[in-house]
Amino acid sequence: DGGITQSPKYLFRKEGQNVTLSCEQNLNHDAMYWYRQDPGQGLRLIYYSQIVNDFQKGDIAEGYSVSREKKESFPLTVTSAQKNPTAFYLCASSIGRGAETQYFGPGTRLLVL
Amino acid sequence: QQQVKQSPQSLIVQKGGISIINCAYENTAFDYFPWYQQFPGKGPALLIAIRPDVSEKKEGRFTISFNKSAKQFSLHIMDSQPGDSATYFCAASNSGAGSYQLTFGKGTKLSVIP
Repeated sequence: DGGITQSPKYLFRKEGQNVTLSCEQNLNHDAMYWYRQDPGQGLRLIYYSQIVNDFQKGDIAEGYSVSREKKESFPLTVTSAQKNPTAFYLCASSIGRGAETQYFGPGTRLLVL
Repeated sequence: QQQVKQSPQSLIVQKGGISIINCAYENTAFDYFPWYQQFPGKGPALLIAIRPDVSEKKEGRFTISFNKSAKQFSLHIMDSQPGDSATYFCAASNSGAGSYQLTFGKGTKLSVIP
């Protein structure tokens, strides 16, 4: 059963704490992406990776970090420097050969305690 | 700077009616225009996509109309059903940029009432 999995579904963060959101894909896609979704704001790109061990900042990278050590995994860390982390976080992947379909995971909702 | 402007923000349509959502873009280098459908608490799913070499693409009840000179494209949902109630996002990307980034509109919340 191919697809993208994100965990956990809900995540709570305390002030000053770093949290890591998981994203795994078994679609053999080269490219992976992280988006943040806020009500009425659409989807905004945080980071993307076109190949293992390489990633690029998107439009709103401040306060976030990523790694791409394996093709199938692209975890996102929300650091304490991100002052407004409450949002719905979406991971996506694509084959990676240019402008083509991005497939999204089910999302992780991050809430601040 | 918002590169893809989507309207309306929300839309209420009677069952069986036509839903129309519009998007306008600024970057003439955009060459791929997908529409995504998102249900509450779920990730977006690709609905239909078009490239600028055609002016219209139809898949079932869903049609994209594309006007390159006006830099506009729209989604038409024929015979709208309550199950179509969702948020719809248009997007655009530039394959020549080599980064595969999608720029999204802010979304339209569609409610189809019986």
